[in-house]
Formats: sequence, structure tokens, C-alpha cells
Amino acid sequence: DIQMTQSPSTLSASVGDRVTITCRASQSISSWLAWYQQKPGKAPKLLIYKASSLESGVPSRFSGSGSGTEFTLTISSLQPDDFATFYCQQYNSFPYTFGQGTKLEIK
Amino acid sequence: QVQLQESGPGLVKPSETLSLTCTVSGHSISSGNYWGWIRQPPGKGLEWIGNIYHSGSTYVTPSLKSRVAISVDTSKNQFSLKLSSVTAADTAVYFCAKMPSSDAFDIWGQGTVVTVSS
Repeated sequence: DIQMTQSPSTLSASVGDRVTITCRASQSISSWLAWYQQKPGKAPKLLIYKASSLESGVPSRFSGSGSGTEFTLTISSLQPDDFATFYCQQYNSFPYTFGQGTKLEIK
Repeated sequence: QVQLQESGPGLVKPSETLSLTCTVSGHSISSGNYWGWIRQPPGKGLEWIGNIYHSGSTYVTPSLKSRVAISVDTSKNQFSLKLSSVTAADTAVYFCAKMPSSDAFDIWGQGTVVTVSS
């Protein structure tokens, strides 16, 4: 199985900050990586697919980059609605695997 | 507008079989996408369970493969999950989701809580 490791596990930031979350794969997954945002009691929401493609309707302050084994999700200017838990997921090969999550908290 | 809705018992006894159905609306399940099941134990992260293609081809995570069956009913526009011999470790929120061919899970159901307890 491909292991996905996110860092940090928890991130404290303020409205207006630029934040970056990293996701590392245990082997190359090309660009077959997605980022999701999940709020308490809700289903995950797709933000980014194919490592850097922005899902329709997602604000442009979200961006993704990377390929191979190292990926990043960047939020250019945090808004109050952005505080949530973020997960990366590889879909290069079965079994699909998720990172353990990064909780973005208000500082 | 595509919508997915999970349904099934919220309480299952240990050693019994968990059965869930995902009803798809606004989109034909035969249109060439993958359809998946993902679960999330309380306070924990997401775990992919398996995918099914409209043709019936399935892919299941190895750790659950001996206990999982995923099927599709194109006439009802539904797909289903059966997980046998459940234990407390199978207590989770279960999500169904749509996955366009070679892409990520773009539409998710709201999730259904399943508790395994006697």
C-alpha cells in the first residue's frame, strides 16, 4: 500500500495568513493526488484533483502543487470559512489511501 | 444536480452483516463513473473501503476484502455495501461517493452513522 503522510497534523493560523500543508507519498503517484476539506459532521469536499487542478466552485485562494512523492496545498489568504480538517488522497493505485489529516485552527 | 444518499440500519450487532445502500439522483449510475465507499471511525481519519464500476467490476481494500461485497443495481440507480462479521472496530460514519474515471471523489453523500453494539 502507498502511505500518505501529512504535515503538520495541526496548524494554528489567523485570518489573512498564507498557509501550506504538505503531503508525502511513500512511492511515486505521478499527479494522482486530491485534497479535501472536511468540517465537523459533514462529508469531505473536493478542493483539488490531479495535484493542481482546482475543482469547480472552489475559491482561487486554494492551490495545489507537486508531483511524484511530494505535494502541497496552499491557501493564499485564510478566510473564516476555511478553518477545517484537510486530507490528501492518492488515487494512483489500489488501495486508495488518505493522509491522516491536518486540522487548521484559528490562532 | 448530482446527489448521493446513504441508507441502512444505524445499529448492527457484533458478528452480523452491515448493509448499506447509496441512491444516486441526477446522474445515471451507468454513465461510466466509479462509485465508492469510504468510512471514518469516530474522531479519526478517512479510510477507503472500495469502488465499483457500473459494469460490476469491484476493487476492495485488502484489509477488508474477505468481509466486503460491493454491488450495483443499475435499474434502481443504486450501489450497495455489505460488510460481514462486524466488530466494534467497524463503528464509523460510512460515506458513498462518485469518482469520475481516473479522477478523485467529486460528489459525496452526507454520510450515515453505523454503530456496532449488542
